[in-house]
Amino acid sequence: NAGVMQNPRHLVRRRGQEARLRCSPMKGHSHVYWYRQLPEEGLKFMVYLQKENIIDESGMPKERFSAEFPKEGPSILRIQQVVRGDSAAYFCASSSGHLNTEAFFGQGTRLTVV
Amino acid sequence: DAKTTQPPSMDCAEGRAANLPCNHSTISGNEYVYWYRQIHSQGPQYIIHGLKNNETNEMASLIITEDRKSSTLILPHATLRDTAVYYCIVRDTGANSKLTFGKGITLSVRP
Repeated sequence: NAGVMQNPRHLVRRRGQEARLRCSPMKGHSHVYWYRQLPEEGLKFMVYLQKENIIDESGMPKERFSAEFPKEGPSILRIQQVVRGDSAAYFCASSSGHLNTEAFFGQGTRLTVV
Repeated sequence: DAKTTQPPSMDCAEGRAANLPCNHSTISGNEYVYWYRQIHSQGPQYIIHGLKNNETNEMASLIITEDRKSSTLILPHATLRDTAVYYCIVRDTGANSKLTFGKGITLSVRP
């Protein structure tokens, strides 16, 4: 049973380009969470999605960032017109949706904006 | 807005038990205590969680005080590979709410 898969593991973008980060949840999981970790800082919640629905986006920046989790395929975190401050590690986690169950994290995508 | 407080760091000797404390004095009745760890910027790793009873699994034990205002994560025989940042998180049971990470405690296991 494969764990949470994130790709790419490393992504380099020039300022102004778009970044697309993908997250495939564990088999049987229909809930996905995205987190961002700036260098030398803690993990900050961004968004929580269920299949085709955004449940909680209280941590998402108001502009340039969007997330989706379509019926088929991975969850996508999209960052438009990236800036140097977007350089960070982006982690996703998945859970089954059953109450009081743990969420499992992927190994992250490290985005570097040059 | 983490609801837990942890010391910033601690260390222990390899092979000894590591007891990591956590205070969550404002925990409410429907909130669980979760522990995760992050080894050197890897993805956070789930360790254990509990509501009010003590819990044990292959990785660790979780001791929750009777009033639920604090808990201790115990790694019974710490190894060098247990060096990591450990996060104690209080999570609402409802609707699979998000995990809110604080600063965690940095555990250093020394040879």
